[in-house]
Amino acid sequence: DAGVIQSPRHEVTEMGQEVTLRCKPISGHNSLFWYRQTMMRGLELLIYFNNNVPIDDSGMPEDRFSAKMPNASFSTLKIQPSEPRDSAVYFCASSPAGQGYEQYFGPGTRLTVT
Amino acid sequence: SQKIEQNSEALNIQEGKTATLTCNYTNYSPAYLQWYRQDPGRGPVFLLLIRENEKEKRKERLKVTFDTTLKQSLFHITASQPADSATYLCALFTNAGKSTFGDGTTLTVKP
Repeated sequence: DAGVIQSPRHEVTEMGQEVTLRCKPISGHNSLFWYRQTMMRGLELLIYFNNNVPIDDSGMPEDRFSAKMPNASFSTLKIQPSEPRDSAVYFCASSPAGQGYEQYFGPGTRLTVT
Repeated sequence: SQKIEQNSEALNIQEGKTATLTCNYTNYSPAYLQWYRQDPGRGPVFLLLIRENEKEKRKERLKVTFDTTLKQSLFHITASQPADSATYLCALFTNAGKSTFGDGTTLTVKP
């Protein structure tokens, strides 16, 4: 299995631009998680889905952030408009739900907003 | 509010010794506790999971304990090797799957 796939791996954009991060979970996994990691705040859960349905988005910073999971093999995290404080590494993880939620993380997308 | 504290940001030990990492939590009743390893520039990698009704789990040189009364988990690496050097993250999960990660402890094993 290829593991969790994220794209792009690096993104540099200017403040105010729209950013879309993509994730392909491991086939057969029922749950998908989006995290943000910074030195100051550590690894923060933004949102997670079970069977393509958003379960908890209380970690989403504000209305500028949105996430979708149109099918079991694809999810997006969109930031519009982006701000410099959104600069971070964004991880997607998937999990075979019902087994304790052990998560398999992707390589991350390093986002820099200038 | 819920809080997870992992012991000192950095832990340095000599090769062959046992590394012990601590994870304490407050205002939380987790169903599962997990430990992950993260290397620089990479995503966390799952190591061990322990349920609230379990006291101890082992996997090769790794051992994790879970004390829900003390609200603490200990993570041990026996016969440590330089290759064990990494940041180790503790994570708590509710039954619904919501996760909260600690800030991590960076372990350095010196040859």
